[in-house]
This record gives sequence, structure tokens and C-alpha cells, in this order.
Amino acid sequence: AQKVTQAQTEISVVEKEDVTLDCVYETRDTTYYLFWYKQPPSGELVFLIRRNSFDEQNEISGRYSWNFQKSTSSFNFTITASQVVDSAVYFCALSEARTGNQFYFGTGTSLTVIP
Amino acid sequence: GAVVSQHPSRVICKSGTSVKIECRSLDFQATTMFWYRQFPKKSLMLMATSNEGSKATYEQGVEKDKFLINHASLTLSTLTVTSAHPEDSSFYICSAERDSYEQYFGPGTRLTVT
Repeated sequence: AQKVTQAQTEISVVEKEDVTLDCVYETRDTTYYLFWYKQPPSGELVFLIRRNSFDEQNEISGRYSWNFQKSTSSFNFTITASQVVDSAVYFCALSEARTGNQFYFGTGTSLTVIP
Repeated sequence: GAVVSQHPSRVICKSGTSVKIECRSLDFQATTMFWYRQFPKKSLMLMATSNEGSKATYEQGVEKDKFLINHASLTLSTLTVTSAHPEDSSFYICSAERDSYEQYFGPGTRLTVT
């Protein structure tokens, strides 16, 4: 079973629009971490955020914000006022204590920001 | 932040040859490193978990004899693709674990087998 689901395969937005990337996860652990990574065309994974299962506070970092809701097992990522440089593939990932910190990646959402 | 390097970044080899990819944690020691494979427009799939001083743990469906992993020191893990075939062409990414839940990813190695 897929532990991390990113239902949106591809999204296109016009520059300056806001966009939300969805992430739904599945785990039986009470202790786990959630991550978002950006993968530009160069291929290198760029770390964006890590959230532990005990901290449901939403976080904002510049134009990026994250909404963690344990009740719906979701960890959504919003980019406000999108820019062309935001074009990339974004991965959501889960790490569980039970499985030795192994990462489970979602299938990724390819975001294209049109100028 | 912690830095993980991979070498080479790109490699082209002929079918039947072997290719070694290095993963190094530059500013921390990593008891555990992970190797992932990513096909074009696909997600990262964990291939194996590499533990310093012991045998690697391979995921189901990954051939141990095909993908040799050696983690000889706390800063270096190597992945050797033996007798490479065109279907082994892929993007290989390693990560190193510094502390619990802190994994740092390398920049990846793009392998093309002709």
C-alpha cells in the first residue's frame, strides 16, 4: 500500500497565482516525520521542511506554507505568488521510527509556473 | 547544513561493464546510508540500506549481486552496478543519516548504459 499519496501528478499555474500541493500519508506509528523536497530539472533534492508527528503547528517560510492535519493525515504545501523558479517536481515523504527511519516518497507533483 | 556528495555526477558506460558510484558525507559521520533509484518522471525507490561495517539490506526485488553496496567507512558508501545493461540506466541518489530522522541527500548520479 502506498504510504504517501500525492494525487496531483501535474499542475500548471500562471505566475503570481497561489498553488497548493496535496500530500496524504498513512502510518500506524505515533512517532514519524513528514518532509517536502523540491527537485528541479538538475535532479538534486532540495530540502524544504521537516515536521514531526507531535507538532501540528502550521509553518510559514516566505512564500511557502505548510498545513499539517493529523485528523486527515495530510501535510499540504502552499506556494503563494508563484514564480517561474518554483517550477519543479515536489515530493512529500514520510519517515517512521518503526521502519528505522526509512523514507517513503510520494510519486511527486510536477509544478509548472507559466510566465 | 550537512553535505553529501556523489561521484560521478554523470556516467556513460557500455553494456557489460561495471560502474561504481560513490556517496560521501563530507562533514559528518553516517552509520547508515541509503541508495535510491529514480526513473524518469517517477518517484524515488529505495534500493537498499547501507550500514557501516555490515552487509547492506536490500529491498524486495533488488538484485544483491547486480547492485553491490559497500559501506567501508563512516563517510563513504559505494554502489557498484555490475554487468550493466541499458535497463539499468537511471538516476541514482544516495542519502546519509546524521541523526535520527535527519537524512541528507546527495546530488545524484545519472547513469546511461549504451
